[in-house]
Amino acid sequence: QSVLTQPPSVSGAPGQRVTVSCTGSSSNIGAPYDVHWYQQLPGTAPKLLLYGNNNRPSGVPDRFSGSKSGTSASLAISGLRAEDEADYYCQSYDTTLSASVFGGGTKLTVL
Amino acid sequence: VQLQESGPGLVKPSQTLSLICTVSGGSFNIGLYHWTWIRQPAGKGLEWIGHIYASGSTNYNSSLKSRVTMSLDTSKQQFSLKVTSVTAADTAVYYCAGTRDCSSTTCYTSSWSDSWGQGILVTVSS
Repeated sequence: QSVLTQPPSVSGAPGQRVTVSCTGSSSNIGAPYDVHWYQQLPGTAPKLLLYGNNNRPSGVPDRFSGSKSGTSASLAISGLRAEDEADYYCQSYDTTLSASVFGGGTKLTVL
Repeated sequence: VQLQESGPGLVKPSQTLSLICTVSGGSFNIGLYHWTWIRQPAGKGLEWIGHIYASGSTNYNSSLKSRVTMSLDTSKQQFSLKVTSVTAADTAVYYCAGTRDCSSTTCYTSSWSDSWGQGILVTVSS
């Protein structure tokens, strides 16, 4: 059971906007610790998508954005494309566990 | 920075899993990164195993702490993972990663991994 809760799946049609939530608690996101997001395409290693809640590494399109409020964070993907179909993970730090923690992951399906 | 995992793909139950991550790209000794192991059982999510810092200090997942050891070999630009007394539950793809908590301009309150190895499948089976 992950301390960061993500929906198991989300879906959207090409061109649409989808969001992926990451819900934590006062010992992690709400502490507040910053949140990071990863994209994992099938059969590949995870790739950093956003760091520090809403910062894109070089090469990540601006269709990807993030936000954080209270004990939750969200990843938004606009202008959905077929190649966005992947698993998405949030990550933060938990002070009770004294450990880096991941969400359980969300599978994005592009309809 | 580029990372590459190596080690046995098959380990017998109760034995020790040993993996090495080789780092290239010149960032190993700069201190910008600390080094991380993460694993992913088939069809499941990511599990953070632990970090090792340039100083050699470590931070491990409490659920694995009694069985995990990480170490550095700076002369070879490598870091390693050992997991003792393995069971089938330790079967997973193991990733090594370069992890940081500061960008070029800002430091953050938690760290992220911006460089990952391709992963190595380790199966625990007799």
